Amino acid sequence: DQQVKQNSPSLSVQEGRISILNCDYTNSMFDYFLWYKKYPAEGPTFLISISSIKDKNEDGRFTVFLNKSAKHLSLHIVPSQPGDSAVYFCAAKNTGTASKLTFGTGTRLQVTL
Amino acid sequence: NAGVMQNPRHLVRRRGQEARLRCSPMKGHSHVYWYRQLPEEGLKFMVYLQKENIIDESGMPKERFSAEFPKEGPSILRIQQVVRGDSAAYFCASSPLQETQYFGPGTRLLVL
Repeated sequence: DQQVKQNSPSLSVQEGRISILNCDYTNSMFDYFLWYKKYPAEGPTFLISISSIKDKNEDGRFTVFLNKSAKHLSLHIVPSQPGDSAVYFCAAKNTGTASKLTFGTGTRLQVTL
Repeated sequence: NAGVMQNPRHLVRRRGQEARLRCSPMKGHSHVYWYRQLPEEGLKFMVYLQKENIIDESGMPKERFSAEFPKEGPSILRIQQVVRGDSAAYFCASSPLQETQYFGPGTRLLVL
């Protein structure tokens, strides 16, 4: 049962444009969400997070939006840079009962020149 | 401040051998998590430990797998009698409390 879904396995965006990565979840008990970026042969690197009490969190070029009613979150990267090319994982947790993260299957972002 | 350290980075074992994966959390972090990533899949939670205690092992296979986080030294994920299906990348993460988890570079296990 895939509780966190990233339905787009890959995305190609031109340098300087906006990248939008999407994530859907089914478990209504999730109340904290994170995005990680992963390069080949490396571990995931934390990018940005958002609590369910907020609907937007911004950090530099990265903004995460949360729509609780739709159980949907998205990561916006503006402007996209070639160094952003990586696999992006969405993750969720229920802070009240568990510490474990539930991950999506990832979206491979390719930023082209 | 060094990040999460994992060793070895690559490990090759024959079927039936034992694999030991080590994880040293970031300084000041007392919470350790192990995840496994199979090819073309996301990371799957295995176990959550604090010093000398297993807090949540709901993602750990019931047989052959064990984990520990002793008072001194790194956390160890141990896989006994490895099989080909154990081939995967194993990632360790640490956090200071139950907050953002920071990941190590992973150990890539290949079972021949």
